[in-house]
Amino acid sequence: DTAVSQTPKYLVTQMGNDKSIKCEQNLGHDTMYWYKQDSKKFLKIMFSYNNKELIINETVPNRFSPKSPDKAHLNLHINSLELGDSAVYFCASSPGTPSGANVLTFGAGSRLTVL
Amino acid sequence: AQKVTQAQTEISVVEKEDVTLDCVYETRDTTYYLFWYKQPPSGELVFLIRRNSFDEQNEISGRYSWNFQKSTSSFNFTITASQVVDSAVYFCALSEAGYGGSQGNLIFGKGTKLSVKP
Repeated sequence: DTAVSQTPKYLVTQMGNDKSIKCEQNLGHDTMYWYKQDSKKFLKIMFSYNNKELIINETVPNRFSPKSPDKAHLNLHINSLELGDSAVYFCASSPGTPSGANVLTFGAGSRLTVL
Repeated sequence: AQKVTQAQTEISVVEKEDVTLDCVYETRDTTYYLFWYKQPPSGELVFLIRRNSFDEQNEISGRYSWNFQKSTSSFNFTITASQVVDSAVYFCALSEAGYGGSQGNLIFGKGTKLSVKP
């Protein structure tokens, strides 16, 4: 039973297209995140949601729109894809308790390639 | 501003050697957390350890040990008797205290790629 699952694992698409990555967690966590890992392996947070409420929105282009229909799901939609969007996108979740709030469980990652 | 520096970009060792991965951090917070994550060639991110700023005790888990020194703002990671399976990229990270979503903003270092040769 995968704790944090992301689909698709691989995504190859053309510039200008719109695509979505889905994420689901079955850990009962309150908070979910999207992180981006670029070609140099650098990891940076994009968004976090706590109980469906947007908490962190880093300086991400507004072509990226997260959506959290419930606290177990956090999807990422990307409009008008650009070459620079090619990266691995990681979904993660963490408990809502102070003691565990920053112990993130990551999904396996979704590798997006924009041609 | 918070920052994590992993000065070693790549390290190559021969199996059974001990290896230390360095991590230096910057923060103005008095309460914070430090982490190490492992990213094997398969790509997933594996949580190794979390340390809070009030606990400077060193920790050992099997062949892994961590040395936290607030005086030098360092949180170094040592693998004893390295094995080929230890080959991975290792990330050090820092986060603020609290809860509600903001504390999950982990500031990652750029990672150290460890290659262990047989």
